Amino acid sequence: AQTVTQSQPEMSVQEAETVTLSCTYDTSESDYYLFWYKQPPSRQMILVIRQEAYKQQNATENRFSVNFQKAAKSFSLKISDSQLGDAAMYFCAYCRRDKIIFGKGTRLHILP
Amino acid sequence: KAGVTQTPRYLIKTRGQQVTLSCSPISGHRSVSWYQQTPGQGLQFLFEYFSETQRNKGNFPGRFSGRQFSNSRSEMNVSTLELGDSALYLCASSLGTDANTGELFFGEGSRLTVL
Repeated sequence: AQTVTQSQPEMSVQEAETVTLSCTYDTSESDYYLFWYKQPPSRQMILVIRQEAYKQQNATENRFSVNFQKAAKSFSLKISDSQLGDAAMYFCAYCRRDKIIFGKGTRLHILP
Repeated sequence: KAGVTQTPRYLIKTRGQQVTLSCSPISGHRSVSWYQQTPGQGLQFLFEYFSETQRNKGNFPGRFSGRQFSNSRSEMNVSTLELGDSALYLCASSLGTDANTGELFFGEGSRLTVL
């Protein structure tokens, strides 16, 4: 069965600095999608970034980028120039054929 | 385009009661999935409906059930409520077809408190 592991329950980063959130997953499939979702306090969850497993190039969305290591089954999220609005719970997720599995999340604190 | 709408946003029930939560997906989305979020367990998948049929199911007891209507709106029901059912219940919608990339659009959730 597929699993998604986020080993860092909480992290803190100074405003304007860079932080990396870790995620590993386990699957025997070769074709799937990986996601990072952000859940701000008392607000709805939104998609941050998506990666197709068949693409070797790492996805990038403005200040957010991923380091996708397919062989190692690793999918980390890098946030550059951290802003106060980045404070949230971040969930890593694996999806294949509309079955999605989430990690337990990493709570990110931004220090002013 | 309206987003995913969940009602009610907050509710308080007592043990043994039952509750029904509603979710209206984004127009054109045929898949609706439900998740239970708690501080200890994180985000756990309950079930997913596509075209009125349950397509996937998580590891929850039979007290948790759901359904989807022809207009893609979905409801989930929890019977014989237990204290441990206190949680934020999230609904998400997606295209759900082969063209679907797996991206989910979430509602704001229904926060259930069981006393």
